[in-house]
Amino acid sequence: QKEVEQDPGPLSVPEGAIVSLNCTYSNSAFQYFMWYRQYSRKGPELLMYTYSSGNKEDGRFTAQVDKSSKYISLFIRDSQPSDSATYLCAMSDNTDKLIFGTGTRLQVFP
Amino acid sequence: DTAVSQTPKYLVTQMGNDKSIKCEQNLGHDTMYWYKQDSKKFLKIMFSYNNKELIINETVPNRFSPKSPDKAHLNLHINSLELGDSAVYFCASSQAQGVGGYTFGSGTRLTVV
Repeated sequence: QKEVEQDPGPLSVPEGAIVSLNCTYSNSAFQYFMWYRQYSRKGPELLMYTYSSGNKEDGRFTAQVDKSSKYISLFIRDSQPSDSATYLCAMSDNTDKLIFGTGTRLQVFP
Repeated sequence: DTAVSQTPKYLVTQMGNDKSIKCEQNLGHDTMYWYKQDSKKFLKIMFSYNNKELIINETVPNRFSPKSPDKAHLNLHINSLELGDSAVYFCASSQAQGVGGYTFGSGTRLTVV
């Protein structure tokens, strides 16, 4: 079993939809949680960074962490075609080692 | 002004050759990393350096040797390249222990033929 599980998709939604992306994990020592967006042939770009449990909002993006369930989510409101990319969850404990999910490919069609 | 830059962007080489990838960050971060992204897009850590000192070495064949001349640079040298080394290699940097998140370069696509 992988340390971090993420549905690879693809997830296809119409423009304006609310998108929900999720990851589960097994290591209870994880306390830093991130979401990255990766466009084709580009490097991952940090979207959201949260510490421990709770919610964080930034514009159209909301990240949620539920440590009791070992479950994290990223919500994208009013999705746009420019949001079409692969979304990677990532997490770490108190070390420098960042563990990634396999990524979910999202397609937003006009 | 690029935060984490790596060169070259593309590298095509024959099996058995030796090649290097260079990385530089201008963010003042203490820690730098090499990650490998395979054909299924899975990103896996290879090495991390904190202020020129090796911190993480993840069961990578010893044909791969990172070198950090200073805390702003982390290079990756690969000896005796094999077909299975074909992947995209990403350099990244962060504050100590990844606080605040990691910044990635745009990747080096290595193809071994």
